[in-house]
Amino acid sequence: EMQLLESGGGLVQPGESLRLSCVASGFTLSGYDVSWVRQAPGRGLEWVSTINARGSDSEYADSVKGRFTISKDNSKNTVSLQMDSLRAEDTAMYFCALRHRGSDPSFKWFDPWGQGTLVTVSS
Amino acid sequence: DIQMTQSPSSLSASVGDRVSITCRASQNIGRSLNWYRQRSGKAPNLLIFAAASLQRGVLSRFSGRGSVTEFTLTINDLQPEDSATYFCQQGFTAPYTFGQGTKLEIK
Repeated sequence: EMQLLESGGGLVQPGESLRLSCVASGFTLSGYDVSWVRQAPGRGLEWVSTINARGSDSEYADSVKGRFTISKDNSKNTVSLQMDSLRAEDTAMYFCALRHRGSDPSFKWFDPWGQGTLVTVSS
Repeated sequence: DIQMTQSPSSLSASVGDRVSITCRASQNIGRSLNWYRQRSGKAPNLLIFAAASLQRGVLSRFSGRGSVTEFTLTINDLQPEDSATYFCQQGFTAPYTFGQGTKLEIK
């Protein structure tokens, strides 16, 4: 069974940094694009970032661009999200998920998702 | 950014009913529309991709249709375990935006 497991969340103060990890089990990440999606408490879902299968290309939401960095280590079957200059509005549950593409490259969807790791930014 | 608008924001229905949730995109996204279910305290899980393709393992009580800017998720023969929040998401272009969610309560 393909599973993703996130870790690294916690309570930090505004301006501090945190590094999240997403480890795959039951399969190898090397053949997949991986995304981070977050959900603020009681709110909807917000796509954060995606990295391609080779780890050579990435994209970010404007809300995190320049502060967050996604990376992929296929040898460790892990994707990381380095979050710097954290703000209160970054408080959320962070999920990692595989991003799939259809035969039409404009078709993209997320599946499966990990159970999430909670990040709280507060003084 | 492409804005995704779901309606209704919440609904209540009985076991055995059929319900539909609508998702509208602010611009043409073809058929690049996906549906997720999120049970309370859990991660989302994919139900439908590419507007109408049923994800493996998802029951045929779930169906999707639509194109361009208007899409619908239909759930037939509602069951208690369908109580959840349902989200649409456009996969056409980054940023990959989600609808605000529809909370479904089973009476």
